[in-house]
Amino acid sequence: DAGVIQSPRHEVTEMGQEVTLRCKPISGHNSLFWYRQTMMRGLELLIYFNNNVPIDDSGMPEDRFSAKMPNASFSTLKIQPSEPRDSAVYFCASSPTSGRGNEQFFGPGTRLTVL
Amino acid sequence: DAKTTQPTSMDCAEGRAANLPCNHSTISGNEYVYWYRQIHSQGPQYIIHGLKNNETNEMASLIITEDRKSSTLILPHATLRDTAVYYCIVRVYNQGGKLIFGQGTELSVKP
Repeated sequence: DAGVIQSPRHEVTEMGQEVTLRCKPISGHNSLFWYRQTMMRGLELLIYFNNNVPIDDSGMPEDRFSAKMPNASFSTLKIQPSEPRDSAVYFCASSPTSGRGNEQFFGPGTRLTVL
Repeated sequence: DAKTTQPTSMDCAEGRAANLPCNHSTISGNEYVYWYRQIHSQGPQYIIHGLKNNETNEMASLIITEDRKSSTLILPHATLRDTAVYYCIVRVYNQGGKLIFGQGTELSVKP
């Protein structure tokens, strides 16, 4: 099993540009989570999906952020327009319906730098 | 979800047991205690979880006090690769539930 796959691993962009982060969850997992990690705020949940449906997006900071899950094997997190304060590591995680306490499996993260 | 309190940092000698405490005095009856860790530059990794009984797996042991207001994660023989930030999280066990991460404990295992 390849685990959760995220792309790109690193992204450097200029303020005002659109950024799209991609995630492929583990096959068979029906929950998907997007987290953001910064030194100031730590790890914070942005949004999560169950069976491709957004359940809780209360952590999405602004309308500039949007997330989609068109099918069970793919999700995107889009920032438009990007700002320097969006610089962070963005993690995607997936979780099965059953198993060890709904253990979440995290991807390697995408390090975003907005200049 | 109940809030947790952990020491900011701890040191442990390689080969010795690492005991990481967590206070969760406002935990409710249907909330579980979860532990995750994050090795530098990697995504967090699940370690163990429990409700009220002590739990053990291949990675660690979890000791929960009888009143469930605190718990201890035990790494029986710490190695240098166990150096990481350890997060104690309390949440209701449900399908697709979110994790709320605090600041965690930065464990440094020294030779």
